Amino acid sequence: DAMVIQNPRYQVTQFGKPVTLSCSQTLNHNVMYWYQQKSSQAPKLLFHYYDKDFNNEADTPDNFQSRRPNTSFCFLDIRSPGLGDAAMYLCATSRLGQGVLRTEAFFGQGTRLTVV
Amino acid sequence: GEDVEQSLFLSVREGDSSVINCTYTDSSSTYLYWYKQEPGAGLQLLTYIFSNMDMKQDQRLTVLLNKKDKHLSLRIADTQTGDSAIYFCAGNAGNNRKLIWGLGTSLAVNP
Repeated sequence: DAMVIQNPRYQVTQFGKPVTLSCSQTLNHNVMYWYQQKSSQAPKLLFHYYDKDFNNEADTPDNFQSRRPNTSFCFLDIRSPGLGDAAMYLCATSRLGQGVLRTEAFFGQGTRLTVV
Repeated sequence: GEDVEQSLFLSVREGDSSVINCTYTDSSSTYLYWYKQEPGAGLQLLTYIFSNMDMKQDQRLTVLLNKKDKHLSLRIADTQTGDSAIYFCAGNAGNNRKLIWGLGTSLAVNP
């Protein structure tokens, strides 16, 4: 089945130790998003890739970076995780472009990050 | 700026109907979506409605859109315990690339 897969489901990292979260998709969608979701809150968009074009949200801290080596994969790098970065990180994809009318996002199951 | 508001909690009895409400400010949203999130999981698209429609029915789900009042609702008929989750309303921002999210409504279904 075509889907969005995030690995790992649970990640524990040490305070200040770089960590990378992974996302892959078989939907062949041209847009990939990273969201941060804290408990009882709505997902907060960190950034997205439109094809190879990186789009950062104005309030995303510099501590968060992303890479998209190809259409299928996207990575979220947290350079120096702090306690406040503990959250669920959600990857999503969309298909945008000429002739595409709906832009709903398809989500992975998320990676729960714990910082110790 | 764009804003989407939802009531935070709803409790219903199993078998009753649930109605979850949402208001939005961005009248340029062409599609409005309902997502469901179960504990510890990602978000699952439940249904959507195009902005020139006023109602859409999909099995137990009915979406009503009042564009004049910028009000969207999701009705779940015959609510089951498996419907317990957080429901998010979202609309696409003007450039279509991003979704603007409500805070989510936590639905509790009591046996």
